[in-house]
Amino acid sequence: DTGVSQNPRHKITKRGQNVTFRCDPISEHNRLYWYRQTLGQGPEFLTYFQNEAQLEKSRLLSDRFSAERPKGSFSTLEIQRTEQGDSAMYLCASSLDGVQPQHFGDGTRLSIL
Amino acid sequence: QKEVEQNSGPLSVPEGAIASLNCTYSDRGSQSFFWYRQYSGKSPELIMFIYSNGDKEDGRFTAQLNKASQYVSLLIRDSQPSDSATYLCAVVAGGGNKLTFGTGTQLKVEL
Repeated sequence: DTGVSQNPRHKITKRGQNVTFRCDPISEHNRLYWYRQTLGQGPEFLTYFQNEAQLEKSRLLSDRFSAERPKGSFSTLEIQRTEQGDSAMYLCASSLDGVQPQHFGDGTRLSIL
Repeated sequence: QKEVEQNSGPLSVPEGAIASLNCTYSDRGSQSFFWYRQYSGKSPELIMFIYSNGDKEDGRFTAQLNKASQYVSLLIRDSQPSDSATYLCAVVAGGGNKLTFGTGTQLKVEL
């Protein structure tokens, strides 16, 4: 049984560039969540999917952010025109349904130069 | 007022002692409560979850929930140096199952 997989583990990019992260959830999990965590803080909710439907987006998710889960399996999170404030750990989690606990991947650490 | 509050610590306990971690939440409609452990530079790892008032035990860990007081705690018995980490309290309120986290309590277990 593989856990939640995220790629890449680390991403360093220049301000203004676009970046895309990928998350592969646990295979039978219908729910997929994205969170962002900065140093000294708990993770903050960004968005979540039930199968391929994106059901909720946080106000933290500006127009520069977009997430997809096209076939209800893996998901991508894209950030356009990156800014210094986007530097954070981006965490993906999945759960079997809307009640069961969420399990996190190892995260993608984004550094904006 | 923050939605989920935790003392940031550090909380230092000697090896073998009981560590008590506390969390309060503001939304009375909160339904589910979780404790995650996070080592430095790593992602959160689920330790315990509790849905009903009372205690829930799993090995050395006990989660305690008091909805009337809007309080949830985590007890770690026989604390080990490997328990040294940040413990995140998370709450689900309303639909969607999105987690709202506290800022975490840093636990240090000293030899």
